[in-house]
Amino acid sequence: EVQLLESGGGLVQPGGSLRLSCAASGFTFSTYAMSWVRQSPGKGLEWVSIITHIGGTYYADSVKGRFTISRDNSKNTLYLQMTSLSAEDTAVYYCANAYCSGGACFHFDNWGQGTLVTVSS
Amino acid sequence: DIQMTQSPSTLSASIGDRVTITCRASQSIDSWLAWYQQKQGKAPKLLIYKASTLASGVPSRFSGSESGTEFTLTISSLQPDDFATYYCQQYRTYSPLTFGGGTKVEMK
Repeated sequence: EVQLLESGGGLVQPGGSLRLSCAASGFTFSTYAMSWVRQSPGKGLEWVSIITHIGGTYYADSVKGRFTISRDNSKNTLYLQMTSLSAEDTAVYYCANAYCSGGACFHFDNWGQGTLVTVSS
Repeated sequence: DIQMTQSPSTLSASIGDRVTITCRASQSIDSWLAWYQQKQGKAPKLLIYKASTLASGVPSRFSGSESGTEFTLTISSLQPDDFATYYCQQYRTYSPLTFGGGTKVEMK
């Protein structure tokens, strides 16, 4: 059974930093792209970042230069380092996996339950 | 950026109704489109990928279709478990990857 378990969320002051983690199990982690998607209270889904199975990284413009996605295949864990946080970053952050093949990565097969990040003074 | 315009934003329907949700891409995405269902307070769940392929375990009353840059999610006979919010997503490009704005299916 695939499991994605996010952690690291919490209350942080504006301008602060936070690191999220996503522990994965039940699939071959190194063959999947991993992504972060967030959802602000009462709003829709917003893609944040993705790291491919071969380490390529992509970011939404809203977080580029502030957030860094990384992965540790030896620990089956995905990370999101967030800096210069503002109230607009308040959201539930989900991790999700996407199968990759032939150089392409596809839809999000599985999602974690999310971790809440609240940016407030 | 590829924009995904989803409609309607809210849909009121009754049990047994046929429900149709539309998603229009601002440019060609081939068939690289997925549909997700999200219930209140829960994570999204994959329903359909590659525009029309049903994900494992998803009831056959759900179906997806495409016509050019317009994609449709259809629920053939709405069931109580189907009241939720639905999102489309293109994965033709990760620069950036984009979701539609969502369609909330509520009880009439």
